[in-house]
Amino acid sequence: NAGVTQTPKFRILKIGQSMTLQCTQDMNHNYMYWYRQDPGMGLKLIYYSVGAGITDKGEVPNGYNVSRSTTEDFPLRLELAAPSQTSVYFCASSFSVGRSGNTIYFGEGSWLTVV
Amino acid sequence: AQTVTQSQPEMSVQEAETVTLSCTYDTSESDYYLFWYKQPPSRQMILVIRQEAYKQQNATENRFSVNFQKAAKSFSLKISDSQLGDAAMYFCAYRIPGGSQGNLIFGKGTKLSVKP
Repeated sequence: NAGVTQTPKFRILKIGQSMTLQCTQDMNHNYMYWYRQDPGMGLKLIYYSVGAGITDKGEVPNGYNVSRSTTEDFPLRLELAAPSQTSVYFCASSFSVGRSGNTIYFGEGSWLTVV
Repeated sequence: AQTVTQSQPEMSVQEAETVTLSCTYDTSESDYYLFWYKQPPSRQMILVIRQEAYKQQNATENRFSVNFQKAAKSFSLKISDSQLGDAAMYFCAYRIPGGSQGNLIFGKGTKLSVKP
C-alpha cells in the first residue's frame, strides 16, 4: 500500500539551480496538491490539480511550476532556486470533496535546502 | 478568509495522563470538515481524527477524541492515557468544499511533549 510517494527525500541545491520534485499516488485520487512547510509553521498550498491536464495556483506559487499529464503523477518544478525556497515540501492527494472524500493523504515530505 | 488558530505553541503531559489541545477557526461556511494531523520528528503528516461539521456527535478514534463546538467554532483534541509515542507536533486543519478545490487551511501547530 504505497499511497503518496515523493522523491527525493533530501536535496541540497545551489542558488540558481533548478530541480523537479516527483510525486505519484496509487489511490486513483483526482485531486493532488503541493504544500510547503517552513520552520515553526503549518503547511501552505503551492499548487493544486483537480485532474489530469488541470492545475491552479495556491497561496504561495511564485518560483514554482507544475504539470499533471496523468492521474497518478504531479511533479513540482523549482526554477532558479533561492534561499527562500528552503523548506520541507509535501505532496498530497484526495478524492473530490464530499461526504466520502474529505481526507487528504500526504507523502513523507522532501527536505530541500538552497545554499 | 478562513483562519485556524492554535493558541498553545507547546504543551506537556505526563505519561498515562490526559491532555487537551485547543483549536479555533473562523468561517462563514456551514458545511466543512475539521482534522487533526500528527507530525512526528520524521515530518510525516499522519491523520489522527476528522470531524464533519454536519455531524453533532463528536468523533472518537481509540484514545483520541474531539470536542466540537460548532457555534463557538472550537475543535479541541483530547488525548487520553498519553503515551511516549504521542510526542509530536499536532496541527488542526479546516477544509471546505470548493475553496481552492478543497484545500486544507492549517494552524501553526502545538508541540506536545510526553514525560515518562
